[in-house]
Amino acid sequence: KQEVTQIPAALSVPEGENLVLNCSFTDSAIYNLQWFRQDPGKGLTSLLLIQSSQREQTSGRLNASLDKSSGRSTLYIAASQPGDSATYLCAVRSSNDYKLSFGAGTTVTVRA
Amino acid sequence: DTEVTQTPKHLVMGMTNKKSLKCEQHMGHRAMYWYKQKAKKPPELMFVYSYEKLSINESVPSRFSPECPNSSLLNLHLHALQPEDSALYLCASSFRTSRNTGELFFGEGSRLTVL
Repeated sequence: KQEVTQIPAALSVPEGENLVLNCSFTDSAIYNLQWFRQDPGKGLTSLLLIQSSQREQTSGRLNASLDKSSGRSTLYIAASQPGDSATYLCAVRSSNDYKLSFGAGTTVTVRA
Repeated sequence: DTEVTQTPKHLVMGMTNKKSLKCEQHMGHRAMYWYKQKAKKPPELMFVYSYEKLSINESVPSRFSPECPNSSLLNLHLHALQPEDSALYLCASSFRTSRNTGELFFGEGSRLTVL
């Protein structure tokens, strides 16, 4: 069974600092990995999708890397802003399982 | 336009009520999903529809009854719920389902409170 872990559970940084969010998974046989953002009481917003054949994806200030062999993905957010405050979840779709396995998320607070 | 629309945004119901949650997408996606999310927990899969047919039921109690009237609509009918069913119910869609799936898009959710 795929298990997805996100550490730390919470993170507080001053505005302008770069954010590094970690996601680890136990089964390297994955189809893709997706990063989401969730604001309190709201739905999930897709940030980046990385296919298993890719090593990274970029969108604006966001960059996500994938290392399947070590079972890790990292989301980098450059020059953080207070508007980046949210919970960030990673989700892994195993290549032999229809399910999307979610991590518990990292709650980020960017202080002005 | 990547948008999944859910109604209502908030719903309060008694344990004897019957209500429905609705979800709509116009992205041409053929896979639609219901997830349940409790506070400070990740979403849990409930149902998956693929080409308007139920393909996955994650052993969800029968008091939750999904329906997919057409490729753009997904409903979740609620009956005789328990207070512990109070949660954020999220609808999602993707271009394909099963292993060969693409990006998953979520709606804003319906916040359900069962009294």
